[in-house]
Amino acid sequence: LAKTTQPISMDSYEGQEVNITCSHNNIATNDYITWYQQFPSQGPRFIIQGYKTKVTNEVASLFIPADRKSSTLSLPRVSLSDTAVYYCLVGSDSNYQLIWGAGTKLIIKP
Amino acid sequence: KAGVTQTPRYLIKTRGQQVTLSCSPISGHRSVSWYQQTPGQGLQFLFEYFSETQRNKGNFPGRFSGRQFSNSRSEMNVSTLELGDSALYLCASSLAPGLAGINEQFFGPGTRLTVL
Repeated sequence: LAKTTQPISMDSYEGQEVNITCSHNNIATNDYITWYQQFPSQGPRFIIQGYKTKVTNEVASLFIPADRKSSTLSLPRVSLSDTAVYYCLVGSDSNYQLIWGAGTKLIIKP
Repeated sequence: KAGVTQTPRYLIKTRGQQVTLSCSPISGHRSVSWYQQTPGQGLQFLFEYFSETQRNKGNFPGRFSGRQFSNSRSEMNVSTLELGDSALYLCASSLAPGLAGINEQFFGPGTRLTVL
């Protein structure tokens, strides 16, 4: 089972780019990497998913190196409303044991 | 379209009791997953149901069980409650099961269970 490790917390400022890295040294061949965002008193919300290289959508980018032992969620030009906990998730259908990271509490300051 | 609803939102029980939590998925979604969230352990996967069948199960004791009805609504039951069962229980629904549905997984607000 892939275990994920993330920083417990991060601070940044409005307008900056924020990169959150997740380590998953034992990721399996079929595992995908997914990131979620969670605000207080709400359930998590899907941000982005990838398998290798780079994936980009309207809110974030996900960078995955060739060895796939880590991944980096990149949030461009953050705002105060991006203050939340961000989770890294590794899993696959062939071995459906979803392993969630402990989450990174991101605080954006004005 | 209405989101995922969970009832009750808050619940207080005592050790040894049992509890049943309910989840109504988004209309048309046939996959329902349950998660336990605690400050110490984070988010942990409990089980997933699709078309009334349990497809996957996390590493939880047999006291934790669930089921899904023909209308896709799901319930989870915890018997013989322990203090450590105090947590936020989240339900998520998606059109497809497994990883195929994970990028379209929508979470409810959760049920906050407190065991005294």
